[in-house]
Amino acid sequence: ETGVTQTPRHLVMGMTNKKSLKCEQHLGHNAMYWYKQSAKKPLELMFVYNFKEQTENNSVPSRFSPECPNSSHLFLHLHTLQPEDSALYLCASSQEDRAIFLGELFFGEGSRLTVL
Amino acid sequence: GQQLNQSPQSMFIQEGEDVSMNCTSSSIFNTWLWYKQDPGEGPVLLIALYKAGELTSNGRLTAQFGITRKDSFLNISASIPSDVGIYFCAGPQTGANNLFFGTGTRLTVIP
Repeated sequence: ETGVTQTPRHLVMGMTNKKSLKCEQHLGHNAMYWYKQSAKKPLELMFVYNFKEQTENNSVPSRFSPECPNSSHLFLHLHTLQPEDSALYLCASSQEDRAIFLGELFFGEGSRLTVL
Repeated sequence: GQQLNQSPQSMFIQEGEDVSMNCTSSSIFNTWLWYKQDPGEGPVLLIALYKAGELTSNGRLTAQFGITRKDSFLNISASIPSDVGIYFCAGPQTGANNLFFGTGTRLTVIP
């Protein structure tokens, strides 16, 4: 199995729909991340979970709701999204020391989201 | 937030040529990382640099941590078609689990 797997790979949804993105890591890491990748923009951090606790919320609108039930799984629940939310959503994991952030992330293949 | 500017934005080169790209920041970073993103995939870490002036190689790739700690360089020697992709520099935000990514350099290798 690959290290970090994301499902679905592609998702098309209307603005009134509710859907979820799923991420699973098989690397035994203790930190998981959601990043947003839009065309012609740098990757933007959305959320960080360390040992299942949310440690970063990068001013993300409440229509994006993360959930981390255990250190291997991360979800991103989506509701009433806007067309500008269309992007590639990347999940990543890392093994972090509590004192030092090394930045050595392992990414999944991403979920390509289109909001109509 | 901190901004990482990469140049060039895109490159078209002939197979076998060497490639150079760089990343600059207005802020100091204590770590520089280089990632590559293949089409349809997530980014993969290529090289990590932890000390100013450090020069590190990974096969045909060589990266350097600038002395000022505000820049980094990535060189690829004897390019091959599978080098195609987007190369990102990245640096961790001090005191937070956040990685700032550069704007990316898109590399196309012509066989």
